[in-house]
Amino acid sequence: NFMLTQPHSVSESPGKTVTISCTRSSGSIASNYVQWYQQRPGSAPTTVIYEDNQRPSGVPDRFSGSIDSSSNSASLTISGLKTEDEADYYCQSYDSSNPRWVFGGGTKLTVL
Amino acid sequence: QLQLQESGPGLVKPSETLSLTCTVSGGSISSSSYYWGWIRQPPGKGLEWIGSIYYSGSTYYNPSLKSRVTISVDTSKNQFSLKLSSVTAADTAVYYCARAREEIVGAPLDFDYWGQGTLVTVSS
Repeated sequence: NFMLTQPHSVSESPGKTVTISCTRSSGSIASNYVQWYQQRPGSAPTTVIYEDNQRPSGVPDRFSGSIDSSSNSASLTISGLKTEDEADYYCQSYDSSNPRWVFGGGTKLTVL
Repeated sequence: QLQLQESGPGLVKPSETLSLTCTVSGGSISSSSYYWGWIRQPPGKGLEWIGSIYYSGSTYYNPSLKSRVTISVDTSKNQFSLKLSSVTAADTAVYYCARAREEIVGAPLDFDYWGQGTLVTVSS
């Protein structure tokens, strides 16, 4: 059974670029797609990236996703940061060998 | 537009069974290539997947909760339900229902539609 580990928090200034990592503990990060969710206080999560690097319609192209097999991790990059991007971000993948959905612990993004 | 709405008691006593229902509108719960799931979030903490049911009726549960969880579907009402038995204070959380889509069989993608969530408190 693998786990997904994220940094607890990150902060950056408006207009800058921030990257949030999500490291898979065992098995290849490329084995199963990684999704990223944004959750604002008091609201349900919404998808910002699916299938490692695909953006749902309506999500700005400032949001991008990637995977890196060398570090066995996925990354969410947000460029041109806006104060409205301040939220919690969760990565998620699916364990096909032991059917279950796995969420990372979440990263609180502060835009200051 | 697909909508999901959780309903059920907001307060459950310790050792009792938590029961929630998710009503789906704007689409059929029997549509192929979708999973219907429950996710919870304790106050101030992260998301935890509880379990999912496939359109075919197959169920998948979080191993850490499996002994206490049952998810079922009522296609006549376009609803699916969660039962979590022997609850304790640790089960206090916002419970979300959500839909996961699948483009390749056996490889579900994101939970693309979510309910607004309902807070369930376990307390005597």
